[in-house]
Amino acid sequence: DSGVTQTPKHLITATGQRVTLRCSPRSGDLSVYWYQQSLDQGLQFLIQYYNGEERAKGNILERFSAQQFPDLHSELNLSSLELGDSALYFCASSSGSLGELFFGEGSRLTVL
Amino acid sequence: AQTVTQSQPEMSVQEAETVTLSCTYDTSESNYYLFWYKQPPSRQMILVIRQEAYKQQNATENRFSVNFQKAAKSFSLKISDSQLGDTAMYFCAARLNNNDMRFGAGTRLTVKP
Repeated sequence: DSGVTQTPKHLITATGQRVTLRCSPRSGDLSVYWYQQSLDQGLQFLIQYYNGEERAKGNILERFSAQQFPDLHSELNLSSLELGDSALYFCASSSGSLGELFFGEGSRLTVL
Repeated sequence: AQTVTQSQPEMSVQEAETVTLSCTYDTSESNYYLFWYKQPPSRQMILVIRQEAYKQQNATENRFSVNFQKAAKSFSLKISDSQLGDTAMYFCAARLNNNDMRFGAGTRLTVKP
């Protein structure tokens, strides 16, 4: 158990819909990262937050947005969903500036 | 720009044998961390080993060790005495001073009985 909690674990929805993925980082971790992993692909970095502020942005689509709340949990919002958005979305957290990331179990999104 | 390259999409090894997975990276920074993560069929991301760039000594964790060549920007993972449970995707990753972590495309390792 990494200590990072993601909900929901599985989500099935239709094209054009909007979903919200939630992440609770490990206790004490200020940084939250979001990654997208399509089938049999690597991890694509989406966005990073540190203590409520956006720190780095990767290949995140304009239809996607995220935020980190004062209690440090984070949400990833995916809108106008397309078939190609079907993927495993990982949240990870970290305490230090250069240490390892601790990953949640992922949220598997299926867009039909 | 930072990139992490894994040139071996798939590899296989016989149980109890040794296998080496390759990784190269590109950065102009002097201080950074490198990692190998394992992703078994359960899809959970599991840290295997980490290496701090300022340390010359190669990291070792039980059957897992790295060959870190800083000048060549190479960071390979050696798995000794391979076990069936080592079958997984292995991702090389680099974390720089700007804090984000970038991953390679992964190497799918199959351990054969």
